[in-house]
Amino acid sequence: QLQLQESGPGLVKPSETLSLTCTVSGGPISSSSYYWGWIRQPPGKGLEWIGNIYYTGSTYYNPSLKSRVTMSVDTSNSQFSLRLSSVTAADTAVYYCARVRVGSGLYFDYWGQGTLVTVSS
Amino acid sequence: QSALTQPPSASGSPGQSVTISCTGTSSDVGGYNYVSWYQLHPGKAPKLMIYDVNKRPSGVPDRFSGSKSGNTASLTVSGLQAEDEADYYCSSYAGSNNWVFGGGTKLTVL
Repeated sequence: QLQLQESGPGLVKPSETLSLTCTVSGGPISSSSYYWGWIRQPPGKGLEWIGNIYYTGSTYYNPSLKSRVTMSVDTSNSQFSLRLSSVTAADTAVYYCARVRVGSGLYFDYWGQGTLVTVSS
Repeated sequence: QSALTQPPSASGSPGQSVTISCTGTSSDVGGYNYVSWYQLHPGKAPKLMIYDVNKRPSGVPDRFSGSKSGNTASLTVSGLQAEDEADYYCSSYAGSNNWVFGGGTKLTVL
């Protein structure tokens, strides 16, 4: 069974950079059938797609966040990462990582449990 | 890209059916047959319930079904059970490797 687990600081100061890592187990990260994505949910609000990364390193970002987002992948450790710069209180959210099925269908089929990141001084 | 529009809440009694709508535009919901639905329980990993408009992953009860007409997709839960009480979110592919989610609907089983 595929499992994804988010990790990283739960508290980030305003104007600093948020960094999270997602560790994938139970399946290969280097597959042509999947992207790997980040989604967030601010308190009391809906889900927001942040971006996806392919195992080759190709990235696709939400246009509204593109200037502040960087994603990377480490296939040797089955991990992919998110960096969000110049954070404000509006970036406080539960951050989820997920596997994105592509090719025959387009959908997020496995998700991590999420990690709460609070932006506060 | 704007978030897809969902009703904030929906409810039904055990055994009844409830339908949750998800309205987008011709650039997302209406333009692609790539609408998916997710069930969120607090503290748990989101669960894929429907993908590609009307396909059900293995293990999801056939009480859950999806459909689409024009720019609006729908999730129907038939034979409501207490464990169906959760938040439900729709998502659609929006072209050029972009995705968009809905604002979520809280389903209450009365």
